[in-house]
Amino acid sequence: AQKVTQAQTEISVVEKEDVTLDCVYETRDTTYYLFWYKQPPSGELVFLIRRNSFDEQNEISGRYSWNFQKSTSSFNFTITASQVVDSAVYFCALSEALGNNDMRFGAGTRLTVKP
Amino acid sequence: GAVVSQHPSRVICKSGTSVKIECRSLDFQATTMFWYRQFPKQSLMLMATSNEGSKATYEQGVEKDKFLINHASLTLSTLTVTSAHPEDSSFYICSAGEATVSGANVLTFGAGSRLTVL
Repeated sequence: AQKVTQAQTEISVVEKEDVTLDCVYETRDTTYYLFWYKQPPSGELVFLIRRNSFDEQNEISGRYSWNFQKSTSSFNFTITASQVVDSAVYFCALSEALGNNDMRFGAGTRLTVKP
Repeated sequence: GAVVSQHPSRVICKSGTSVKIECRSLDFQATTMFWYRQFPKQSLMLMATSNEGSKATYEQGVEKDKFLINHASLTLSTLTVTSAHPEDSSFYICSAGEATVSGANVLTFGAGSRLTVL
């Protein structure tokens, strides 16, 4: 069975600090997909990234970067030079098998960026 | 990009009434949609998989008679909370997957529906 663990329940940083959100996953499948979503106070889920299990390249998108390490089953998310607008709950999620979009979410990390 | 519309965004009802929530894929067809429930400050929990033209598949512990799911067309799934009680108050979110070249779907989520049962 798949499982996603986000050990950090809440993180608080001051604007312009870098912050890393941890995500550790468990799966028996060799093919799987990892995701990060942002949930601002309004409630909607905003898709940030999808990574498949065969692609361990790290990715950078503006101030966001992701570090996928299969050896440690981790898919960590770093925000560089954080801004107040980054304040939200961030969810890491896992979907097993190609074409299977049954997605399981971690508990989420609530990030608060203070001015 | 793919858009999923969810309606209503907020609903308040009296205990014992039934509430219907709609989930529509606006610019793509979705043979499968998913319904999640999120309690305050908690994660999203998958309730059921909605299959177009057939019965929904419910997760363990979810009452199918309580949470009726209908997926009558390729763009619409509905969740009806029957005889709602205060403990059903929650944030309900739907999602739908648009097939990609690789065959794997990227889920797009609706904006959610906040149900408050008095």
